[in-house]
Amino acid sequence: EPEVTQTPSHQVTQMGQEVILRCVPISNHLYFYWYRQILGQKVEFLVSFYNNEISEKSEIFDDQFSVERPDGSNFTLKIRSTKLEDSAMYFCASSEGASGRYPTYEQYFGPGTRLTVT
Amino acid sequence: AQSVAQPEDQVNVAEGNPLTVKCTYSVSGNPYLFWYVQYPNRGLQFLLKYITGDNLVKGSYGFEAEFNKSQTSFHLKKPSALVSDSALYFCAVRDGSSNTGKLIFGQGTTLQVKP
Repeated sequence: EPEVTQTPSHQVTQMGQEVILRCVPISNHLYFYWYRQILGQKVEFLVSFYNNEISEKSEIFDDQFSVERPDGSNFTLKIRSTKLEDSAMYFCASSEGASGRYPTYEQYFGPGTRLTVT
Repeated sequence: AQSVAQPEDQVNVAEGNPLTVKCTYSVSGNPYLFWYVQYPNRGLQFLLKYITGDNLVKGSYGFEAEFNKSQTSFHLKKPSALVSDSALYFCAVRDGSSNTGKLIFGQGTTLQVKP
């Protein structure tokens, strides 16, 4: 059964450093997402990506964040200058989408990357 | 504003007994509702969804959920709980104001099934 994969499973970095979190979505999916979950809190939407561009982003997704799909298979989240409050579990998800303009299908999530900023 | 509430932090049930994990929602437009399960050190696994049609939807691992429009609820149920069902369960709704299908999650409910 196809699944979303993420690497690394755990990343420890120092404040101010750049990190890149990697995801390989399910191959025939068209919509890609990043969510995060700070310990003990809800899963929060960060950004969605469709047709090689950001389609929607939350207020959390400020200028220090960026996403890219560099080669048609990987989907990356970059945090340019990490802060202590960026420590969280980051989930990548993908969705097949509907035949129409708006996706209605369920999203499939990867196992997450635990980011620890010290 | 769109929101999802899971009123119980934890649900405890004995193996073999029926279980219910509660979820209520608030959205604009028609609700698209989902349940996900998270096992330790694993990602969120899709269980079931309600988009339209029958109010009782069936999903993976014997789980089902009942959509109730008047009560704006989408409770997760299983007739006979297994110890292996112990996990963290999330209810989610598609944001009706979003054109990309982003999900809004509840805070999660820990299900503990005891032998």
